[in-house]
Amino acid sequence: DTAVSQTPKYLVTQMGNDKSIKCEQNLGHDTMYWYKQDSKKFLKIMFSYNNKELIINETVPNRFSPKSPDKAHLNLHINSLELGDSAVYFCASSQGGPYSNQPQHFGDGTRLSIL
Amino acid sequence: GDSVTQMEGPVTLSEEAFLTINCTYTATGYPSLFWYVQYPGEGLQLLLKATKADDKGSNKGFEATYRKETTSFHLEKGSVQVSDSAVYFCALSSGNTPLVFGKGTRLSVIA
Repeated sequence: DTAVSQTPKYLVTQMGNDKSIKCEQNLGHDTMYWYKQDSKKFLKIMFSYNNKELIINETVPNRFSPKSPDKAHLNLHINSLELGDSAVYFCASSQGGPYSNQPQHFGDGTRLSIL
Repeated sequence: GDSVTQMEGPVTLSEEAFLTINCTYTATGYPSLFWYVQYPGEGLQLLLKATKADDKGSNKGFEATYRKETTSFHLEKGSVQVSDSAVYFCALSSGNTPLVFGKGTRLSVIA
């Protein structure tokens, strides 16, 4: 009965590889997000989708490509991984759009380590 | 643009001590304010929220009051437990920008 689930939990890979992270929410929310959390715990929004439509794209390299096949899923594909991509990536969802005052529900994160 | 400033940690307290984590904000309009908590190895969870001036959010013994005159939303708890050890994030949503987080404050409570 996990509300926001993302897989995998850990991802260790070589520089230059391509990888994907998947996210699903069963809360019936309209909006989903991807965040990046660095080693100092600073949390930065990357993307937001509302009903499968891209609403926010925050100065993220185009090696990162989100895809939302339906409003319950938001996947993140990363091409040509770089050392600086090492971080914890969080998926989140909320009712209403990204500019509403509705709280966001977070997954447990995917820890990406680039060797 | 909108921003949140919270006290830098880490904060280390003994069990049953009083906790205050300061948070101030800058925003256009009238933001909603939030505290989120991140336990080790987990995602963020909403702890409490307040949507207008003088509102008090509370949950699990934590409280925060929306103070428009001082643009603050300080988190308090009267008696912390070891299980409260986590990173706490203050955040705002103003309708002009997506949720803006502070840098987080790590709290360690020792028995």
